[in-house]
Amino acid sequence: AQKVTQAQTEISVVEKEDVTLDCVYETRDTTYYLFWYKQPPSGELVFLIRRNSFDEQNEISGRYSWNFQKSTSSFNFTITASQVVDSAVYFCALSEAEETSGSRLTFGEGTQLTVNP
Amino acid sequence: GAVVSQHPSWVICKSGTSVKIECRSLDFQATTMFWYRQFPKQSLMLMATSNEGSKATYEQGVEKDKFLINHASLTLSTLTVTSAHPEDSSFYICSARDWVAPDEQFFGPGTRLTVL
Repeated sequence: AQKVTQAQTEISVVEKEDVTLDCVYETRDTTYYLFWYKQPPSGELVFLIRRNSFDEQNEISGRYSWNFQKSTSSFNFTITASQVVDSAVYFCALSEAEETSGSRLTFGEGTQLTVNP
Repeated sequence: GAVVSQHPSWVICKSGTSVKIECRSLDFQATTMFWYRQFPKQSLMLMATSNEGSKATYEQGVEKDKFLINHASLTLSTLTVTSAHPEDSSFYICSARDWVAPDEQFFGPGTRLTVL
């Protein structure tokens, strides 16, 4: 069975600080996808990134960067120079291949990030 | 990008009544739709998976007679909460995927249900 663990329940930082959100996953599949979503107070999920298990290259998008390490089953997310608007709950999620589980998404428990001015 | 809508965005109802939530894919054909439930300060939990034209597959612990799911067309799935009770109050989110990109899901904005 697949599982996603986000050990950090809440993180509070001051604006302009860098912050890393941790995500550790478990799966028996060799083909899988990892995701990060942002959920602001409005509740709507905002897609941030999707990474497949065969692509271990780290990715940077503006102030966001992701570090995927299969050796430690981790997919961590870093926000550089955080801003108040980054305050939200962030979810890491895992999807196994369609033939394994119908592409069902398993979400971590989420990390509440608060960026204070 | 692919857009998924949900209606209503929020609903308040009396205990014992039934509530229907619609999930629509606006610019693509959704072969599969997923329904999630999220309680306050908790994660999203998958309730059921529905494929167009067939019966939904429910996750363990989800009462299929209470949460009726219909996916009659490639652009519409409905979730009906029958005989709702206060413990059914939650945020319900649907997602949809099409056959072109089966490993991607597009999420609706969610429906907040409050049962009095």
